Amino acid sequence: EADIYQTPRYLVIGTGKKITLECSQTMGHDKMYWYQQDPGMELHLIHYSYGVNSTEKGDLSSESTVSRIRTEHFPLTLESARPSHTSQYLCASSEDHRGQPQHFGDGTRLSIL
Amino acid sequence: KNEVEQSPQNLTAQEGEFITINCSYSVGISALHWLQQHPGGGIVSLFMLSSGKKKHGRLIATINIQEKHSSLHITASHPRDSAVYICAVGEETSGSRLTFGEGTQLTVNP
Repeated sequence: EADIYQTPRYLVIGTGKKITLECSQTMGHDKMYWYQQDPGMELHLIHYSYGVNSTEKGDLSSESTVSRIRTEHFPLTLESARPSHTSQYLCASSEDHRGQPQHFGDGTRLSIL
Repeated sequence: KNEVEQSPQNLTAQEGEFITINCSYSVGISALHWLQQHPGGGIVSLFMLSSGKKKHGRLIATINIQEKHSSLHITASHPRDSAVYICAVGEETSGSRLTFGEGTQLTVNP
């Protein structure tokens, strides 16, 4: 069983609010990822990190930001939420070697009113 | 055209049937992943393979590198197999980053 946790699982919040989605893993993985997934659609990588103080933007442009101050923690922040940010956000982690499986959290379903 | 194409998009089967989901890709890869996503949204990694065939319980995954094609088979399907099955590839040039197919929605009726 993968030890990667996301909170909250569900969030409904008004426009303009600042939101932080939490992601933590206890496996000591250096690599962590954030994906965005709209209903019935494929996952798109929005941010990734290969270690502490390393963050990169992914393939899909996103207004969110991330930080990686500790190995186990990779939070995603939206400074001012908008209805277009409504989606599911999934966090994942993997070991350092290329080609390792990614372990996924249960996701956060975000609805911006 | 997506770099990873899955077929079919939707599949309905009766309990006990043998199921095949296909995945084709157009890039050089370091590995191909099969993932399962349940209605709650959580994703579980089923297989990671770069050649040949892997089996886990009733699930079998195969890959043909020359043809850039992989299949996921489920034998003796069960309603609890109902989920979205996602094919993803780790490209040779992108390190650990994955490119995902759109998924196949499988419904197994009792």
